[in-house]
Amino acid sequence: GDSVTQMEGPVTLSEEAFLTINCTYTATGYPSLFWYVQYPGEGLQLLLKATKADDKGSNKGFEATYRKETTSFHLEKGSVQVSDSAVYFCALSAGGYQKVTFGTGTKLQVIP
Amino acid sequence: ETGVTQTPRHLVMGMTNKKSLKCEQHLGHNAMYWYKQSAKKPLELMFVYSLEERVENNSVPSRFSPECPNSSHLFLHLHTLQPEDSALYLCASSQERVAGLETQYFGPGTRLLVL
Repeated sequence: GDSVTQMEGPVTLSEEAFLTINCTYTATGYPSLFWYVQYPGEGLQLLLKATKADDKGSNKGFEATYRKETTSFHLEKGSVQVSDSAVYFCALSAGGYQKVTFGTGTKLQVIP
Repeated sequence: ETGVTQTPRHLVMGMTNKKSLKCEQHLGHNAMYWYKQSAKKPLELMFVYSLEERVENNSVPSRFSPECPNSSHLFLHLHTLQPEDSALYLCASSQERVAGLETQYFGPGTRLLVL
């Protein structure tokens, strides 16, 4: 079946550091890929998405590129802020009824 | 403003209690979902309703009973739960279309503790 593997956290960075959170996937067909973010005490929010190979999703300074050859969708940001502290979930959708498969989440903590 | 609200935000219940979780979406969507979020585990899809009909039930125990009276409201009825059912329960909604994938929008969740 479909699966998503994320790097284990927590990830602790200083403000303005470069962020990479790795995500790889296994799926049949051509899935759409997503990054969701969950701030403390809140539900998940869509951060960015890509629907086909070589697409780059971007939002709020975050980027991720759909790499079919390496089945990856790594999340990057050039300069993190304290307000980026949250849990980040990589996800894919390859089935009907918009069934989405999530990774376990990576907690990011940014310190001043 | 996510457009998806959930009540209550926190719930503590005994194993013999009966309670219900409520979800309401204000986005005009026609599909709604219940997920379970447990620590250190992937988000688990529990139920999917499309056009008010249940289309997926991922082998969820019968002590969880969903209800979708209309496209804006979704309930999860709970009875005789176990301590391992303690988790964050998230509701989501989306717009089903013939072509194209639509984003799921999540509520803030209900934090459930079963004693």
